[in-house]
Amino acid sequence: VQMVEFGGGLVQPGGSLRLSCTASGFSFRDFSMHWARQVPGKGLDWVARINNDGSDKTYADSVKGRFTISRDNTKRMLYVQMNDVRVDDTAVYYCIREEGQVLTWGQGTMVTVSS
Amino acid sequence: ELILTQSPATLSLSPGEGATLSCRASQNVGSLVTWYRQKPGQAPKVLIWDSSNRASGTPVRFSGSGSGTDFTLTISSLEPEDSAVYYCHHCDYRRITFGQGTRLEI
Repeated sequence: VQMVEFGGGLVQPGGSLRLSCTASGFSFRDFSMHWARQVPGKGLDWVARINNDGSDKTYADSVKGRFTISRDNTKRMLYVQMNDVRVDDTAVYYCIREEGQVLTWGQGTMVTVSS
Repeated sequence: ELILTQSPATLSLSPGEGATLSCRASQNVGSLVTWYRQKPGQAPKVLIWDSSNRASGTPVRFSGSGSGTDFTLTISSLEPEDSAVYYCHHCDYRRITFGQGTRLEI
C-alpha cells in the first residue's frame, strides 16, 4: 500500500494550487480517502473526505467553500483543489486511506502560502 | 462536535520505565479510537486500532485499553526509539478527529 502526494510548493495568498495523490498496492476504488494537514512542529488537522465513488464529500469548516476534494478511480488519483489560499493554510498535506479506524498515510507534500 | 483531549502534553522518561498516555473523548465513541506514532520528518504510523488491537509490526510492549470516553496507550519498558509524538484519533466515516498529541521524550 502506497500513496505519493505531489503538487505542493509556494503560492501567494489568494492564489490557487492543486495537490495530487497517486495510490498503488490496493483497490483504490474500494476505499474512502482523506486529506489532512500538519503545520511543521504542530498537530494534525483533518481537511476533507471523499467516499469511494466520489458521491459524498465532507470538509473542515476552515476550508469549506475554498477547497474541493475529488478523485479519479480510473487513474487511481486523489486531488484537492485549493483556492483563495491563506497564510494559515501553510502545512504539510497528507493523503490518507481510510480502512475502518485504520488510516494509512502518504509521506506528504509541503504547501507554503506567502507573499 | 467531538473533541479528543490527550494528556499529558509532554512526558519525559528514562529507558526501561513504563509510560501511560491518555486520550479522553468529549462523547461516547465506543471502542473506536486508534493510536499513532509520528517520528520527526515521517508520516504517522498506526500502533493500536479499535482501542486495543495491535497493528501488524507493533511491538508487544505497546498495549491499548478503554471504551466510551477514556482510552489509554501503555508502553512498557521504554526504548530510546520510542521518542516520538503519539496521537489518538476517531474516524466517524465522514471526518477524522485527532487528539493534539503527547510528546514522549526518552
